[in-house]
Amino acid sequence: GAVVSQHPSRVICKSGTSVKIECRSLDFQATTMFWYRQFPKQSLMLMATSNEGSKATYEQGVEKDKFLINHASLTLSTLTVTSAHPEDSSFYICSASPDRVMGYTFGSGTRLTVV
Amino acid sequence: SQELEQSPQSLIVQEGKNLTINCTSSKTLYGLYWYKQKYGEGLIFLMMLQKGGEEKSHEKITAKLDEKKQQSSLHITASQPSHAGIYLCGADMGGYQKVTFGTGTKLQVIP
Repeated sequence: GAVVSQHPSRVICKSGTSVKIECRSLDFQATTMFWYRQFPKQSLMLMATSNEGSKATYEQGVEKDKFLINHASLTLSTLTVTSAHPEDSSFYICSASPDRVMGYTFGSGTRLTVV
Repeated sequence: SQELEQSPQSLIVQEGKNLTINCTSSKTLYGLYWYKQKYGEGLIFLMMLQKGGEEKSHEKITAKLDEKKQQSSLHITASQPSHAGIYLCGADMGGYQKVTFGTGTKLQVIP
């Protein structure tokens, strides 16, 4: 149980366009989901906490207008990278947890390349 | 400075050898998680430790939590090439259910 599905796994987009990444909890409801970013050979950095039915909480230094988060249902959170630039190229990964006992489950990640 | 420091940063061991990875926190830990990742792929949950002194094992991997020292260690016995990857510790450091990750340890196992 506790599966998190992330889509797409890879995306290439042109500079200036927007890209949407979806994160779904398949067999549990998640009022909270987390979005991380990982640069090459570095650890995961928390970008924001997605809250169902309310505004996301962003970590310091993360641009809210650049990385739009929508958590419209208990099983779906989306991250939209707006007006993407090459420096936004990275590996993005989401996570959620059905409860603390089960720990956090991560999606398989999305590799974004902006050309 | 990093809130969660892992050591060593990278490790190369011969197949069959034992190894230990450490994760040290600068703050009180409310829960400590260990994950394995192959770079560019999702994370595989290994185990979660919640109480001081707690120790858990999964196959040949054992993790312990020293709450007083704000430290956890991950020990792999008789390493195999399949153990290769990046090991990340993560911790709930504020009690708000968001996980902060350690700096990561890259493990290579030579056959």
